[in-house]
Amino acid sequence: QVQLVESGGGVVQPGRSLRLSCAASGFTFRSHGMHWVRQAPGKGLEWVAVIWYDGSNKLYADSVKGRFTISRDDSKNTLFLQMNGLRVDDTALYYCARDDNPPFDLWGRGTLVTVSS
Amino acid sequence: QSALTQPASVSGSPGQSITISCTGTSSDVGSYKYVSWYQQHPGEAPKLIIYDVSNRPSGVSDRFSGSKSGNTASLTISGLQAEDDADYYCNSYTTRSTWVFGGGTKLTVL
Repeated sequence: QVQLVESGGGVVQPGRSLRLSCAASGFTFRSHGMHWVRQAPGKGLEWVAVIWYDGSNKLYADSVKGRFTISRDDSKNTLFLQMNGLRVDDTALYYCARDDNPPFDLWGRGTLVTVSS
Repeated sequence: QSALTQPASVSGSPGQSITISCTGTSSDVGSYKYVSWYQQHPGEAPKLIIYDVSNRPSGVSDRFSGSKSGNTASLTISGLQAEDDADYYCNSYTTRSTWVFGGGTKLTVL
């Protein structure tokens, strides 16, 4: 079954860190770039980061650059998002999505991150 | 990285057609064919319905169509049905090799 399953979300205080995971199955993970996209409660979609299929390039939205790091472990078919220096406005449902032709063709159900004191 | 501009809401009656616009700049929508559209029902993940401006993935109804002129892309839904009631987002590749979404449009089927 082709799917993406996110995990690692939770409630965290401002300034703290959290690492999200996205487990892929049913397709050749190492052949695809991967994205993180987030959606604040009641708001629209915001692209967060992308990692190329071979990990050679990582790009970020200005809003998270320098604080978030995207990475992957192809041996475990897993995508990660390390989030440091979390802020209240990072509160959102975080989705991982596959980069293919077309991009964003497969999405997970998301994991909720709440940043609150 | 400003979000692409979409109308906050549109509405239509069953059987009618509606069009949702998505306005960007020469740094995103105006530069590439990589404009896509997503449908999102409440509590669900987004679903790809249009890619590369006007292509439909397998399984997506031909009632959905896309186009682009200059810095503005458009999604047209013809023969509106109750199940089309959802949020719609556009997305574009940018000259910085990043991606940007539109602010989203809530479609209400009356």
